[in-house]
Amino acid sequence: DSGVTQTPKHLITATGQRVTLRCSPRSGDLSVYWYQQSLDQGLQFLIQYYNGEERAKGNILERFSAQQFPDLHSELNLSSLELGDSALYFCASSVEAGVKNTEAFFGQGTRLTVV
Amino acid sequence: GIQVEQSPPDLILQEGANSTLRCNFSDSVNNLQWFHQNPWGQLINLFYIPSGTKQNGRLSATTVATERYSLLYISSSQTTDSGVYFCAVEPQSRGSYIPTFGRGTSLIVHP
Repeated sequence: DSGVTQTPKHLITATGQRVTLRCSPRSGDLSVYWYQQSLDQGLQFLIQYYNGEERAKGNILERFSAQQFPDLHSELNLSSLELGDSALYFCASSVEAGVKNTEAFFGQGTRLTVV
Repeated sequence: GIQVEQSPPDLILQEGANSTLRCNFSDSVNNLQWFHQNPWGQLINLFYIPSGTKQNGRLSATTVATERYSLLYISSSQTTDSGVYFCAVEPQSRGSYIPTFGRGTSLIVHP
């Protein structure tokens, strides 16, 4: 158990809908990252938050947004869903950001299926 | 951005065999991690190893940062070792630690 909790584990929804994925980082970790894993793209970095503030953005679509709350949990919102958004979405956390000797730990992922 | 190449892309072994997985990266790195993604999709931390050598049971890893590569050794492989092995790095040039993943090595261990 990595200590990073993601809910839900599975989600099936229709095209055009909106979903929210939730992540609770390990106790004491201030930084949260979101990744998307699809069959043809591998693990793609989406966005990072550190202590409530956005720190870095990767290949995140405009239809997607995220935030980190004061209690450090994070949510990833996916809207106007398309079939191609079907993927495994991972959350990871680490103690610091931009510091050497920082190890990231991943949650179990949320498997999103858009039908 | 930094390029991370893993080889081989696919590997099939008989139980008990040894194997070496390689990760090459195109730039100097601050951090390097090896992960195992099991058949259920979970990403499990194997090693945090920006340089040097570490061992954990049947697994060991070596990173030669000056030559920009890392190796993961699996000895006496078991069927439970099956899955995808990922290398993830963070380049020195980047101001924020964001693991950048290779495409992985898919390992199947037959009984």
